[in-house]
Amino acid sequence: KQEVTQIPAALSVPEGENLVLNCSFTDSAIYNLQWFRQDPGKGLTSLLLIQSSQREQTSGRLNASLDKSSGRSTLYIAASQPGDSATYLCAVITQGGSEKLVFGKGMKLTVNP
Amino acid sequence: GAGVSQSPRYKVAKRGQDVALRCDPISGHVSLFWYQQALGQGPEFLTYFQNEAQLDKSGLPSDRFFAERPEGSVSTLKIQRTQQEDSAVYLCASSSVRGGGYTFGSGTRLTVV
Repeated sequence: KQEVTQIPAALSVPEGENLVLNCSFTDSAIYNLQWFRQDPGKGLTSLLLIQSSQREQTSGRLNASLDKSSGRSTLYIAASQPGDSATYLCAVITQGGSEKLVFGKGMKLTVNP
Repeated sequence: GAGVSQSPRYKVAKRGQDVALRCDPISGHVSLFWYQQALGQGPEFLTYFQNEAQLDKSGLPSDRFFAERPEGSVSTLKIQRTQQEDSAVYLCASSSVRGGGYTFGSGTRLTVV
């Protein structure tokens, strides 16, 4: 059974820091991995999607890497801003069956001005 | 439509009452998913449809939960005889292709009192 872990559960940093958010998964046979952002009381916004054949994806100040063999992904946020404050969730689709996403519990990020 | 629409936005139900939650996916999206998100947790998979076919319902917690998508577009998640542990945010997502980016709705917050 696929399990996704995000550590730490929460992080508070001053504005301007470069951040690294970690995600690990137990079954390396994944179809793809996605990073989402969730603001309080809102749904999920997709940030980056990495296919299993890819090593990284970039969008603006965000960069996500994937090391399938070791079961890890990293989301890098450059020059953090207070507007980046949210919960960040990592999710994978495992190969060979259902399209369902398996999520981690998320990491709550607070960027202080 | 422009996004995934869910209604109602909030629902308070008395224990034992039946509820119906609606999801209107992006027009043309083949796949539709339901997730349950408890407070402080990541979303947990409930069920998914490809067009009108329910391909995976392994996440439905009990036979009180029932989902349908009769014409391959709008979907309804029905919970019979609600219990306090059913209190959560119910998220709907749709996707145009297997493993493609998922678009989530804002969710329905269900509170059972």
